[in-house]
Amino acid sequence: DTGVSQDPRHKITKRGQNVTFRCDPISEHNRLYWYRQTLGQGPEFLTYFQNEAQLEKSRLLSDRFSAERPKGSFSTLEIQRTEQGDSAMYLCASSPQMNTEAFFGQGTRLTVV
Amino acid sequence: DAKTTQPNSMESNEEEPVHLPCNHSTISGTDYIHWYRQLPSQGPEYVIHGLTSNVNNRMASLAIAEDRKSSTLILHRATLRDAAVYYCTLDPTGNQFYFGTGTSLTVIP
Repeated sequence: DTGVSQDPRHKITKRGQNVTFRCDPISEHNRLYWYRQTLGQGPEFLTYFQNEAQLEKSRLLSDRFSAERPKGSFSTLEIQRTEQGDSAMYLCASSPQMNTEAFFGQGTRLTVV
Repeated sequence: DAKTTQPNSMESNEEEPVHLPCNHSTISGTDYIHWYRQLPSQGPEYVIHGLTSNVNNRMASLAIAEDRKSSTLILHRATLRDAAVYYCTLDPTGNQFYFGTGTSLTVIP
C-alpha cells in the first residue's frame, strides 16, 4: 500500500462546469476526510465518512458540494457549477480510527477559469 | 471552531533544537492536540499527537502545558528536510482537525 491516492492531481475547468475528484484511502482505514486548502491557509475541513456513512457534512461549503463513499472504500467529491472561488487544493485523508494520525494524499489542485 | 495560534514564521540553524509554540486557550478536556507539517505542493504529514501527557516519537517531542492551553513541538536536531509549514491542530471530536495558518520553519545551513 502506497498511501492515500488522489486523482487527478491537477484539474483545470471552465466556470460553470461540474468536476469530480476521487480519493483512494489506505486499505482498511474506515475513516475518510475531505479538506480544502487555499493559498497561504491551512486545510479547511469539509466532511468525513466512517465506512460508507457520511457523519459530518455541515461544513461542506455550499449545496454545490457533495461527497460519496458508496462501498466504504474510495470516495468522490463533486463540485457542481464551479465558480472561480472554488479554485483550491482539495485534500483527502484517511485514518484507521478516531484520535489517531491521519494520512493525507497529495491533493487535487483545481483551477477554475 | 477550536482555535490555535502560532507564530507565522521561525528560523533555526541546522542541527540545533527547535521549539515551535502553539496556544490553544479555548481547548476543551477531550480535544487531542495534533501536529502536522506540510511541504509545498504536498499534503500534510503527521508529526505527533497527544492529550495530556508529553509524547515522544522518532520525529519529535510534544510538550503539553499542565493547563493544556499551550503546547510546544520540539525537533531535537533540525535538518534541512525539516523546513516546512508546521500546523498545530485540535481534534475535538476525534474525527476532524481544525488547522490554523501554521508556522513556516526555515532551517539555515
